[in-house]
Amino acid sequence: EPEVTQTPSHQVTQMGQEVILRCVPISNHLYFYWYRQILGQKVEFLVSFYNNEISEKSEIFDDQFSVERPDGSNFTLKIRSTKLEDSAMYFCAASGSTGANVLTFGAGSRLTVL
Amino acid sequence: QKEVEQNSGPLSVPEGAIASLNCTYSDRGSQSFFWYRQYSGKSPELIMFIYSNGDKEDGRFTAQLNKASQYVSLLIRDSQPSDSATYLCAVSASGSARQLTFGSGTQLTVLP
Repeated sequence: EPEVTQTPSHQVTQMGQEVILRCVPISNHLYFYWYRQILGQKVEFLVSFYNNEISEKSEIFDDQFSVERPDGSNFTLKIRSTKLEDSAMYFCAASGSTGANVLTFGAGSRLTVL
Repeated sequence: QKEVEQNSGPLSVPEGAIASLNCTYSDRGSQSFFWYRQYSGKSPELIMFIYSNGDKEDGRFTAQLNKASQYVSLLIRDSQPSDSATYLCAVSASGSARQLTFGSGTQLTVLP
């Protein structure tokens, strides 16, 4: 079983609606990430998060996206106004503080925007 | 634009053979290199990582890195049908210890 738990596993939403994807890493992870994979395409970096703030983000991570870790355990990705092209598998990942940036991925949340 | 290139395949090998997967990258400053396996509809799972030029072995898997040629490969010895998956090469971005750039993956099929 993945050490990173994601919910929901699948969400279907209407274009323009807000979506929140949730992730629960295990406690000794310090860095948290969101990646996405559009069907048939590459895994793409969205954002990394450390010490309760964004440390890096990609061009994809525009103003419609936000992340937070509101209660010290759950790590969330919010998409404010979904577009058709946001349909993808969203992977949460986590890593420790030292050594290689070895990512442990969650099982993913499939987002379908209609 | 930092690129990671892989042959998309499909690559088919018979059971018991050696599968060779290749990856090139454009960012000369990359320091860490990863191979992930992804089964259809599943998340990537780490096979191994490599930092230094040369070979690194872990069981049936050997990663090879040549920074001068900007080339990294993965060899799978004694391939099994359960190795059938898409293999993703991922490279750390220079100036960033935490962001990975993924290739599009090579689909491997091991024939019984």
